[in-house]
Amino acid sequence: RKEVEQDPGPFNVPEGATVAFNCTYSNSASQSFFWYRQDCRKEPKLLMSVYSSGNEDGRFTAQLNRASQYISLLIRDSKLSDSATYLCVVNIANSGYSTLTFGKGTMLLVSP
Amino acid sequence: DGGITQSPKYLFRKEGQNVTLSCEQNLNHDAMYWYRQDPGQGLRLIYYSQIVNDFQKGDIAEGYSVSREKKESFPLTVTSAQKNPTAFYLCASSDLGGSPTDTQYFGPGTRLTVL
Repeated sequence: RKEVEQDPGPFNVPEGATVAFNCTYSNSASQSFFWYRQDCRKEPKLLMSVYSSGNEDGRFTAQLNRASQYISLLIRDSKLSDSATYLCVVNIANSGYSTLTFGKGTMLLVSP
Repeated sequence: DGGITQSPKYLFRKEGQNVTLSCEQNLNHDAMYWYRQDPGQGLRLIYYSQIVNDFQKGDIAEGYSVSREKKESFPLTVTSAQKNPTAFYLCASSDLGGSPTDTQYFGPGTRLTVL
């Protein structure tokens, strides 16, 4: 089983739509969870950390379900500028060090 | 202006040559990382360093080498032993005292093409 799995998409939605992405992870000991956004040919940028209680930042809401090892990202009122690839990221503890494992990303295309 | 810089932005190399990619940060972060990204693929960890003069291999370290002589600098050398070096290389850093401690911030990347 892959460590972090995401639907690659693309998700094609009109402006103003609500869209949700899901991600599953295999390491039950993971403690940190993130969503990053990556524009074409650019570096990933942190969108938000994901906390156990769920968290919201403007139009973006992230949820974590530890029992199911599942993370979600909800985008409300989609804008054209939301078009990007969204990377699900979890930490993996390894011999006393902690590193991040990145999913391959879900592509979102928002059209006028 | 705090941040992570990588140079050069584009790099072309002939087969058989070693090249060194630069990564500098002025965020006073303890940890630094190197990843490569291939088209349609996720980021894969090459090397990481949590303190000066110490570094660890990631998942795909073969054909690469690093050094960490200063806190702010973590150069990556792509050697001729790396069989498929053409990729997008990303450097990142994180503050181990931050919350959460794993949050990583990325430089703009270097696109390496082997001719």
